[in-house]
Amino acid sequence: EPEVTQTPSHQVTQMGQEVILRCVPISNHLYFYWYRQILGQKVEFLVSFYNNEISEKSEIFDDQFSVERPDGSNFTLKIRSTKLEDSAMYFCASRSSTLSDNEQFFGPGTRLTVL
Amino acid sequence: GNSVTQMEGPVTLSEEAFLTINCTYTATGYPSLFWYVQYPGEGLQLLLKATKADDKGSNKGFEATYRKETTSFHLEKGSVQVSDSAVYFCALNDYKLSFGAGTTVTVRA
Repeated sequence: EPEVTQTPSHQVTQMGQEVILRCVPISNHLYFYWYRQILGQKVEFLVSFYNNEISEKSEIFDDQFSVERPDGSNFTLKIRSTKLEDSAMYFCASRSSTLSDNEQFFGPGTRLTVL
Repeated sequence: GNSVTQMEGPVTLSEEAFLTINCTYTATGYPSLFWYVQYPGEGLQLLLKATKADDKGSNKGFEATYRKETTSFHLEKGSVQVSDSAVYFCALNDYKLSFGAGTTVTVRA
């Protein structure tokens, strides 16, 4: 069964460092998402991406964040200068192009710890 | 904007007890509604979904009915097992998912 994969599973970084979180969406999907979940809190939408551009972003997704689809398979989230409050679980999700099939499939997540 | 309000936990039950987790939503239009489950140490898995009013989603003994008149999508299971211990999230989809706060369910043997 196809699945969304994410690497690394756990990333530890120092405050102010750049991190790149990687995702491989399901191969025939065209809509991609990043969500985050701060420990003990609800899952929050960060950004959606379609046709090589951002289609929607939340107020959390400020200038420190960027997303990219550098090739035909990867989808990355970059945080330029990490802050302590960026510590969270980051989930990638993807959805197929069929509008009536709007289920999003989630990866297992990357736990980011900023020290 | 769209939002989901979910019964806060934690909820602790004995095995074979009846489980209900309340979920109500606020939305423009008629979004699809979902329940996701997060087992300890794992990511989010879709548990069930409903795409229009009066649809009933079901999976693994869990059920939820999309009620437009009460803007609700309550999750129920008639007889829980220890393996159902997890965090349950209600969500609505308007091409991005808006999640409720999550309800932690612990089932004791």
